[in-house]
Formats: sequence, structure tokens, C-alpha cells
Amino acid sequence: QVQLQESGPGLVKPSQTLSLTCTVSGGSISSRGYYWSWIRQHPGKGLEWIGYIYHSGTTYYNPSLKSRVSISIDTSKNQFSLKLSSVTAADTAVYYCARLVYGDYMFDYWGQGTLVTVSS
Amino acid sequence: ELTQPPSVSVSPGQTASITCSGEKLGDKYVCWYQQKPGQSPVLVIYEDTRRPSGIPERFSGSNSGNTATLTISGTQATDEADYYCQAWDSTTAYVFGTGTKVTVL
Repeated sequence: QVQLQESGPGLVKPSQTLSLTCTVSGGSISSRGYYWSWIRQHPGKGLEWIGYIYHSGTTYYNPSLKSRVSISIDTSKNQFSLKLSSVTAADTAVYYCARLVYGDYMFDYWGQGTLVTVSS
Repeated sequence: ELTQPPSVSVSPGQTASITCSGEKLGDKYVCWYQQKPGQSPVLVIYEDTRRPSGIPERFSGSNSGNTATLTISGTQATDEADYYCQAWDSTTAYVFGTGTKVTVL
């Protein structure tokens, strides 16, 4: 059973960079056909896909966030990370990491989510 | 953008239908997620009609034209949750629907 767990600061100051890490257990992050994604949910709102990374380092970002987003991967630690720069209050959200099954366009495993608040 | 009705109410044992509308949605694969308060989303339907292991048979899906539909037959109190559709779009990549709150009265 694959499990994902987000970690990182729950409070970030405006204009700074939000940094989160997702640790994958129960399976290898280098498995073929699986892409590793970040998704966020603003309080009381819907879901927004942020981007994904493959174990090769290939990335693909939501065009609306592309200029501020960077996703990296550390296969030796079975982890991948999110950096979102120049944050504002509008970036306050629950951030989820999830596994994307590429050919089926579905997110089959999700982390529990972590709330990040942007505030001074 | 994928549009869903904000809310759907259903009596226990009855059928709930949740629609998801988008341009040429029938040409794309649609997934559905269930999210209960304070929990992560759970995949209940993928590739329009397929159920992951462990998802009850009362959950089914269809997709044609501009509308995909999630149907919950014999709705139970435990099905009360928010439901989101999701598809892949060449412009915005992975896009989620606006979400539907299902209330079991």
C-alpha cells in the first residue's frame, strides 16, 4: 500500500517561498508510469492541480502557477518537493501530494494534506 | 472548466446523480473523487466508468457529449461528502470540477 506524507512549515510570510516535501512509502518513487503531483485546496473551495514530476526529473506545471512553481525529486530518499515563490494570502491552502497514473489521468493515492497559511 | 451543481440531496436508499459539464468532455477520460470533511480525496471512478478496488458497486459513472455523470445507487449515509470530477485538458492539464456536496436526508 503506497502512502504519501507531506511535511513543511505551516506558516509562511508574504513574499517568501513556500517549501513542502512529500515522502513516499510502500513503493518506489522511481516506478515507471507514475508521476508525482502537488494539488492544493483553498479553504472551503475546490481542488487545483499545481504540477507533477517524473523520476527522470521531467516536470509539468499548471500554466497559471508556472512562473512561481518548482518541483524537484530525490529518488534516494523517495521524496519530492514543492517550492512556490512570492506567496500571498491567496496561496493559503491545504496542500496535497498525490500519485498520478499517467496513462489513466487519475490520482490514485493522496497524502493527508497540510495546511499552509500565508500571513505576516 | 468543469461545472458541477453545488449541491445534491438524496434520501437513503435512493439514487443520486451528479453531473460534470465541460466542452467535449466525452472525448476525455473523467475521474471522480469523494472527499469527506477533514479528509483527503478518494478516487471512486476512473476512465469514465471503472471502479478502483474497494469501491462499492453502487458507485458508477458515464460520460458522453459534454457531460459526465456519477451515479450513486442505494445511497447510504456514509456517502455524504463532496464529490469532484476531474479530466485532462490540453490547455490547463489536470482540471477539477467545481465540486458537489451530496447530502443524504
